[in-house]
Amino acid sequence: NAGVTQTPKFQVLKTGQSMTLQCAQDMNHEYMSWYRQDPGMGLRLIHYSVGAGITDQGEVPNGYNVSRSTTEDFPLRLLSAAPSQTSVYFCASSASGGGPRKTQYFGPGTRLLVL
Amino acid sequence: GDSVTQMEGPVTLSEEAFLTINCTYTATGYPSLFWYVQYPGEGLQLLLKATKADDKGSNKGFEATYRKETTSFHLEKGSVQVSDSAVYFCALLGGNSGYSTLTFGKGTMLLVSP
Repeated sequence: NAGVTQTPKFQVLKTGQSMTLQCAQDMNHEYMSWYRQDPGMGLRLIHYSVGAGITDQGEVPNGYNVSRSTTEDFPLRLLSAAPSQTSVYFCASSASGGGPRKTQYFGPGTRLLVL
Repeated sequence: GDSVTQMEGPVTLSEEAFLTINCTYTATGYPSLFWYVQYPGEGLQLLLKATKADDKGSNKGFEATYRKETTSFHLEKGSVQVSDSAVYFCALLGGNSGYSTLTFGKGTMLLVSP
């Protein structure tokens, strides 16, 4: 199993450009999430999904859009990139069952630089 | 809402020293608690977890005990190695946020010198 994969690994954008960060998992997990990591801020939740067709906002959703058309994929879209979106982005997935025994699995991350 | 507070770093130790990284949390109910580790240039890996009070999670020589009375989950290791240099994140699952996403602390960088 590949686990959670993310592409690209690194991207440079100009202010105002749009792009999509890809995330895929092959573990048949229902739950998927996007986090951003900034120095001194830890990881903050952007958007998450509890199943195909169901998404919800996290702590810092502004400027980002998501959709979940399949169980495997959960792309994150930046509609008009801003320098404040320079960050490292992590995708994670977990099974729906297990409640407190649930473990989230993380992808390797995408480093985004917005000029 | 839920929150996790970790000691600020960096924590600088010599090889074979004893490590403690403090973590306290605020959450309703009975959350699960996790320690994740991030090595330089890599993603997050689960280090250990505990799902109920008084549980002890352990892995690779690291240990943490879920203390509900003090709402703490401190990470310890008896003898650190240079290869333990990384950023460590305390996180919780459950509480107000439910079981679909994690709430993270800000991370603590550990630097171990030979």
